[in-house]
Order: sequence, then structure tokens, then C-alpha cells
Amino acid sequence: EVALTQSPAILSVSPGERVILSCRASQSLSYHLAWYQQKSGQAPRLLIYGASMRATGIPARFSGSGSGTEFTLSISSLQSEDFAVYYCQQYNKLPPWTFGQGTRVEIK
Amino acid sequence: QVQLQESGPRVVKPSETLSLICAVSGGSVSSAHWWSWIRQPPGRGLEWIGEIYYSGSFNYTPSLNTRVSISIDKSKNQFSLRLTSVTAADTAMYFCARSLGPTPIPHAYDVWGQGTMVSVSS
Repeated sequence: EVALTQSPAILSVSPGERVILSCRASQSLSYHLAWYQQKSGQAPRLLIYGASMRATGIPARFSGSGSGTEFTLSISSLQSEDFAVYYCQQYNKLPPWTFGQGTRVEIK
Repeated sequence: QVQLQESGPRVVKPSETLSLICAVSGGSVSSAHWWSWIRQPPGRGLEWIGEIYYSGSFNYTPSLNTRVSISIDKSKNQFSLRLTSVTAADTAMYFCARSLGPTPIPHAYDVWGQGTMVSVSS
């Protein structure tokens, strides 16, 4: 089973700042990694798939990069609606598919 | 636009069976997507439970493999989750989700239900 480690666990930032979240895999995933945003009481929303492809309707301030075992999600200028928990998820080769433990982005 | 809606009992007694349905609207469960169940214990992260393809192929997470089953009902355009012998550790928000597609290749989840909270309690 592939383990995903997200860092940091909590990120305190001010609106307008650039944010970079990290996701590290225990084995190579090629590009088979996704990022989700989850707000309190809501279902996760797909932001990025294939490590760097923005999902339909996702603003351009969200971008993903990386391959293999190291991946990042960047938010170029944090908006008030971006304060949430972010999860990475792998879907490489064989299940079980796994999620990282999440990074909470909170207001500084 | 495809929408998913979970339904089922909100409280299940220990040792009994948890049964949930995910109704698909705006699309067909017979399309080439993986249809999945994912859960989230209160205050914790996401856990993948399993998935079923429209053809009937399925995969389950090893930790639940002996207790879980996922089925698909094309006539009702829905898919279901059964989890037997539940304990307090199975208390969670349960989400159904659809993978990107159409493709048989595993993919990220682009459509999610709103989730249903299930508590295991006597």
C-alpha cells in the first residue's frame, strides 16, 4: 500500500500570499496523483489530477507539479474562499488508492 | 450534470450490517467509470473503501476486505455499499464518488455525493 505524507500539517497564511503544499509518496506514482479541497461539512472537490491538470472550473491560481514521489500544490494568491483542508490522493497501478492525512490552510 | 446522493440508516447497532445506497442522476451507472465509496471518521482524513466498475469488476481496501461488498444496480441507476459486523470504528461520514472518465483506467474522483453520517451505537 502506498503511503502519502503531506506537509505541513497546518499552514497559517494571510490572504494574498502564495502557498505551497507538499505530498510525498512511499513509492513512485508517475503522474497518478490528485489534489482535493475540502471545506467544513462539505464533500472534497477535485482540484488537480494527473499531478498538474486542473479539473473543470478550477481557477488558474491553483497549480500542481511533480512526478514520481514528490508533488506540490501551489496557490498563487490565497483568497478567502481557499481556507480549507487539502488532500492528495494516489491512483497508480493497483488499489488500494490512498489519501494523504491533509494540510489545513488557516487564516494567519 | 451527474449528481450522486447517498441514503441509508444514520445509526447502526454494533455487530450489525451497514447498508448505503448511492443514487446516480444526470448520468448512467452503466457508463465506463469506477463508482466508489470513501469514508471520513469525525475530525479525521479520508479513507478509500472500494470501487466497482460498470461491468461488475470491483476492488476493496485490504483492511475491510472480509466485511465489505459493493454492488451495482443498473435498473435503478444506483450502487450500494454493505459493511458487516460494524463497530464504533466504522462511525464516519460516508461519501460515494465517481472517477473521471469514461475510461477503465483508475482515475481521480470528479463527482462526489454530499455524504451521509453513519454512527455505530447501541
